[in-house]
Amino acid sequence: ILNVEQSPQSLHVQEGDSTNFTCSFPSSNFYALHWYRWETAKSPEALFVMTLNGDEKKKGRISATLNTKEGYSYLYIKGSQPEDSATYLCAFIPGSNYQLIWGAGTKLIIKP
Amino acid sequence: DADVTQTPRNRITKTGKRIMLECSQTKGHDRMYWYRQDPGLGLRLIYYSFDVKDINKGEISDGYSVSRQAQAKFSLSLESAIPNQTALYFCATSDLSSGRQQYFGPGTRLTVT
Repeated sequence: ILNVEQSPQSLHVQEGDSTNFTCSFPSSNFYALHWYRWETAKSPEALFVMTLNGDEKKKGRISATLNTKEGYSYLYIKGSQPEDSATYLCAFIPGSNYQLIWGAGTKLIIKP
Repeated sequence: DADVTQTPRNRITKTGKRIMLECSQTKGHDRMYWYRQDPGLGLRLIYYSFDVKDINKGEISDGYSVSRQAQAKFSLSLESAIPNQTALYFCATSDLSSGRQQYFGPGTRLTVT
């Protein structure tokens, strides 16, 4: 059974502070790693699709890194704003069948 | 207009009733998925379809069935609903050109009483 672990489960951050959280996945048979942002009452939306070891992606104040050899990805948010409050999901795609295996998410709450 | 739509958006039904959730997409993607989400858990895959003639069971297919009526339509049925099928259901699409990035519908909140 392939597991994807996200930590922490939830996180309270003061507005203006930077933060990061982790997605751990099996280090063998890697195809891709996705990050999604899921705001309350909305649908998950893709942030990053990462495919290569050492990948670094950036979108505004949010960035992500990928280490496929050790099986982890970090998501960073710089200078957190209230609109960053959401659940951040990662999904691992093994090469065998291209199905996404989802983590349970990190719920980020930004305190004004 | 939304690229992935789901109907209904909310539904309350009684135990034992048959219910169908519908999903349509205008993205032209080949793959479609049905997920359920329960509080504290990640998205769990119910069924997925690579094209009209290809249907595959996901992690939690028991109690559900699907129909891929056309490339753009993928329906999920609960033949005899039970309370533990109360959840938020998402339809999603993807294709190879997007790196299998998933595009989600707005979700259907189903309550089985």
